Amino acid sequence: EAQVTQNPRYLITVTGKKLTVTCSQNMNHEYMSWYRQDPGLGLRQIYYSMNVEVTDKGDVPEGYKVSRKEKRNFPLILESPSPNQTSLYFCASSPLDATGRYYGYTFGSGTRLTVV
Amino acid sequence: QKEVEQNSGPLSVPEGAIASLNCTYSDRGSQSFFWYRQYSGKSPELIMFIYSNGDKEDGRFTAQLNKASQYVSLLIRDSQPSDSATYLCAVISAGNNRKLIWGLGTSLAVNP
Repeated sequence: EAQVTQNPRYLITVTGKKLTVTCSQNMNHEYMSWYRQDPGLGLRQIYYSMNVEVTDKGDVPEGYKVSRKEKRNFPLILESPSPNQTSLYFCASSPLDATGRYYGYTFGSGTRLTVV
Repeated sequence: QKEVEQNSGPLSVPEGAIASLNCTYSDRGSQSFFWYRQYSGKSPELIMFIYSNGDKEDGRFTAQLNKASQYVSLLIRDSQPSDSATYLCAVISAGNNRKLIWGLGTSLAVNP
């Protein structure tokens, strides 16, 4: 089954304790992205990657890191989580055509993170 | 600031009616337009994408794009209670970064 797999689904952690949210896709998509979704603010892009070893900042990158060592994996790292990073996080992937045009995202199931 | 605007709703329609969801965008050079459905607490799911002016139909869903007026709409025919969700409009801006701009969504309630 074609899918984007995120883990964990739920996570409660304490301020300052490093954590990693994993994301893996089995569709050979070039483009991968991380979003956070907050009430009233909608989906905001954290980081994205156009291909292996190519990553760039989205709208709200502060406090987050990513890496893209393999095409299928795109982990999100919070080096020192803070309560304002409490949110619902989504990983998403999309194929790109020859011109770099998206065909639309497939989203993971989401990770609900609470930082206390 | 490039923006995508949607009426937050809730839009309430009776079962079997046509639901009409609208989205306007500010970047005149935008080329690609997407509609996603999101159930409460779930991830967004792609319904349709449209690139050219006019209508695109897929089952009960029709996307309509009017680039001159800078709006894109989604029509849902024969609305079902299972269509009750938030519908997100997303637009790819012009330019090299091809940034995807999201609306905040319209909440749709289909009443049995």
